[in-house]
Amino acid sequence: DGGITQSPKYLFRKEGQNVTLSCEQNLNHDAMYWYRQDPGQGLRLIYYSQIVNDFQKGDIAEGYSVSREKKESFPLTVTSAQKNPTAFYLCASSATGSTDTQYFGPGTRLTVL
Amino acid sequence: DQQVKQNSPSLSVQEGRISILNCDYTNSMFDYFLWYKKYPAEGPTFLISISSIKDKNEDGRFTVFLNKSAKHLSLHIVPSQPGDSAVYFCAASAFVGSQGNLIFGKGTKLSVKP
Repeated sequence: DGGITQSPKYLFRKEGQNVTLSCEQNLNHDAMYWYRQDPGQGLRLIYYSQIVNDFQKGDIAEGYSVSREKKESFPLTVTSAQKNPTAFYLCASSATGSTDTQYFGPGTRLTVL
Repeated sequence: DQQVKQNSPSLSVQEGRISILNCDYTNSMFDYFLWYKKYPAEGPTFLISISSIKDKNEDGRFTVFLNKSAKHLSLHIVPSQPGDSAVYFCAASAFVGSQGNLIFGKGTKLSVKP
């Protein structure tokens, strides 16, 4: 089955710890994205990557880091510098970085205790 | 400053009737618009899109209308079904300068009552 996988679905971490969220796609898409959703809010862009080994900051990149070493994978690290990390994180991909439709993974709910 | 606005946080409709979800945008450079449906604790699912060169796009029970002069789009669901109950997000993108990034509205929660 082609698609985007995110794991785990639920993640708990202690305050001050870095945590890495996984995102894998087997759609052969060039572009990948990370969004954050908070209650009552739309999706806000954290980071995006249009090709391997290249990525750009989105609207709310502070306290996050990413890597894009492989086309299929775009992990997101939530660092201890992120002041309000508890949220629902969504990964997406699109065929190219133009106006192609983005397809989303199932999301990871991160709770920092 | 919100570039994409969904001014109705919620909408309740009777099963079988039409659901109309509205979306306004401010950036005249937007040229591609999408609607996503989202259930709680799941990723958004793509529903339907429309390019700015069109004013209507239809896919089964879902139709999106675009009024460029008013910077307004709407999603019509006919007939509405209980399974349509979800949060609907409007999103917009500008080919030039955005590199495909989508700007999302805050969503409208649709409840379809049997």
